[in-house]
Amino acid sequence: DAKTTQPNSMESNEEEPVHLPCNHSTISGTDYIHWYRQLPSQGPEYVIHGLTSNVNNRMASLAIAEDRKSSTLILHRATLRDAAVYYCILRVGWDYKLSFGAGTTVTVRA
Amino acid sequence: GAVVSQHPSWVICKSGTSVKIECRSLDFQATTMFWYRQFPKQSLMLMATSNEGSKATYEQGVEKDKFLINHASLTLSTLTVTSAHPEDSSFYICSAILAGAGDTQYFGPGTRLTVL
Repeated sequence: DAKTTQPNSMESNEEEPVHLPCNHSTISGTDYIHWYRQLPSQGPEYVIHGLTSNVNNRMASLAIAEDRKSSTLILHRATLRDAAVYYCILRVGWDYKLSFGAGTTVTVRA
Repeated sequence: GAVVSQHPSWVICKSGTSVKIECRSLDFQATTMFWYRQFPKQSLMLMATSNEGSKATYEQGVEKDKFLINHASLTLSTLTVTSAHPEDSSFYICSAILAGAGDTQYFGPGTRLTVL
């Protein structure tokens, strides 16, 4: 499986943007970049995904490097409810399985 | 959005007993469901993939005779932990894929299993 590398933790102030990096240097052409987050004691929640182009939705934006070897999840205005573990996952195009790594623990300061 | 429920949300059982956990897709049909296990301070580990009407596919190292999975309908999958032992205590989470739109997995809230 193609691997991703994320920082263990990040801190942010409330209402400020958060940029979460993810390195995936061994990504293949058919791998989709997915982001999920998990709040304490809950199941994960889908955030966003993309293949080559940048993506935006109501929760976040996903910026994908031109060579696709890295990506950045952007939370435009962090709130206390955004405190969670964020997982960057590569999903092979033909396989719906997800392989979760350690993720990045995001702490939001009031 | 698509909603997945799990029942029970938590369960405590004695060692040697079996426990059944239900995973339901409430407002959509799920051709495929997944079961994960998460130990404290660790990430999710995929246990098995469950397809409606067929046998589950287990990940390497997961005992299929211990963790029985049944996917009898497009909205229900069950995980039975047989002869549970304290080391089976964990957070069990299911997810489901919307039929025809497999880009997103919708996760249940999880079931906390404690084996005494």
